[in-house]
Amino acid sequence: LAKTTQPISMDSYEGQEVNITCSHNNIATNDYITWYQQFPSQGPRFIIQGYKTKVTNEVASLFIPADRKSSTLSLPRVSLSDTAVYYCLVGGGNAGNMLTFGGGTRLMVKP
Amino acid sequence: DTAVSQTPKYLVTQMGNDKSIKCEQNLGHDTMYWYKQDSKKFLKIMFSYNNKELIINETVPNRFSPKSPDKAHLNLHINSLELGDSAVYFCASSQGRGRWGQYFGPGTRLTVT
Repeated sequence: LAKTTQPISMDSYEGQEVNITCSHNNIATNDYITWYQQFPSQGPRFIIQGYKTKVTNEVASLFIPADRKSSTLSLPRVSLSDTAVYYCLVGGGNAGNMLTFGGGTRLMVKP
Repeated sequence: DTAVSQTPKYLVTQMGNDKSIKCEQNLGHDTMYWYKQDSKKFLKIMFSYNNKELIINETVPNRFSPKSPDKAHLNLHINSLELGDSAVYFCASSQGRGRWGQYFGPGTRLTVT
């Protein structure tokens, strides 16, 4: 069972790049790594997903080293509206694989 | 047109009661989930259904029983509610398991008094 850990909180300023790392030492061979964003009183929202190396979409990049024991979500040029809690989710590659959320990282973007 | 909807949004009830939370998705997904988010914001999976078949059943008290009448619905029934059941419950859906991102509903805040 992948134990997934993240920093509890991070602060940044508008326009900066933010990198949030998730540690998942026991990741299974077929597990995927997915990141979600959650605003207060809302459900988590999908940001990006990857299996290995680097994935980029219009809002973020995801870096996964070769051993896959960690992953880093990179948010370029954050704005105030990026203030939220960010969760990594590991698992699900096979039917019945556990899905384990990290504890979440509370990102505060300051003006 | 909401992708994943849950009812009710808020539920306040007394200990010992039985309650249900309904979830519906209109995305055509074949996998649905229930998660519990506690007061510290930890998200923990409870159940996962794929094509109406239970594929994940975490160590949840058997007072919690999911029901999937069809692929678009996954309801959660809770018997004999306890104070510790107070939390926000999220339903989610995805096309397939793990390989695809999940779409979450708005959540149901359950308060047991």
